[in-house]
Amino acid sequence: NAGVTQTPKFQVLKTGQSMTLQCAQDMNHNSMYWYRQDPGMGLRLIYYSASEGTTDKGEVPNGYNVSRLNKREFSLRLESAAPSQTSVYFCASRWSPEAQYFGPGTRLLVL
Amino acid sequence: QKEVEQNSGPLSVPEGAIASLNCTYSDRGSQSFFWYRQYSGKSPELIMFIYSNGDKEDGRFTAQLNKASQYVSLLIRDSQPSDSATYLCAVGGAAGNKLTFGGGTRVLVKP
Repeated sequence: NAGVTQTPKFQVLKTGQSMTLQCAQDMNHNSMYWYRQDPGMGLRLIYYSASEGTTDKGEVPNGYNVSRLNKREFSLRLESAAPSQTSVYFCASRWSPEAQYFGPGTRLLVL
Repeated sequence: QKEVEQNSGPLSVPEGAIASLNCTYSDRGSQSFFWYRQYSGKSPELIMFIYSNGDKEDGRFTAQLNKASQYVSLLIRDSQPSDSATYLCAVGGAAGNKLTFGGGTRVLVKP
């Protein structure tokens, strides 16, 4: 099992460009999550999907959209990237009631 | 707003000693509590979870939960240089779908 995978690992964008971060899990987990991690800010929840077909906003959803494509895949889209979105993005999945398991992360730099 | 607080550290510990990490949370309805370890440049990995008041031991790690005082702690016995990392406390609400993370405590184990 690969667990939780994320692509790409690194990305540099210019302000205003768009991109989609991909996440997939092979653990048959119902819930999936997107976080961003900034120095001194800890992990902050952007969006989550409690089950296939549902998505909900987290703590910092502005500037992002998500799609739960199927049970395995949960993507995060930046429509018009801003320098404030420079961060490390982690995807996680969970099978209730267990803990969340994280992917390796995507490092995003917006110039 | 639900908050989870941790001392950012660094907590400097001699090799072989006990490292004691604390975490307090604001939501009295919290039901699940997790400790993650995160090495620099890597994703968080689960160390332990605890749901009930008292102690839970797993190898060199012991989690302690006191719901009345709203704190959870992690003890690392016989600390090793490989334990040097940032430790994240995460708290789940009654619904359990979302976790709120603390900012993390950086631990340095000196040989």
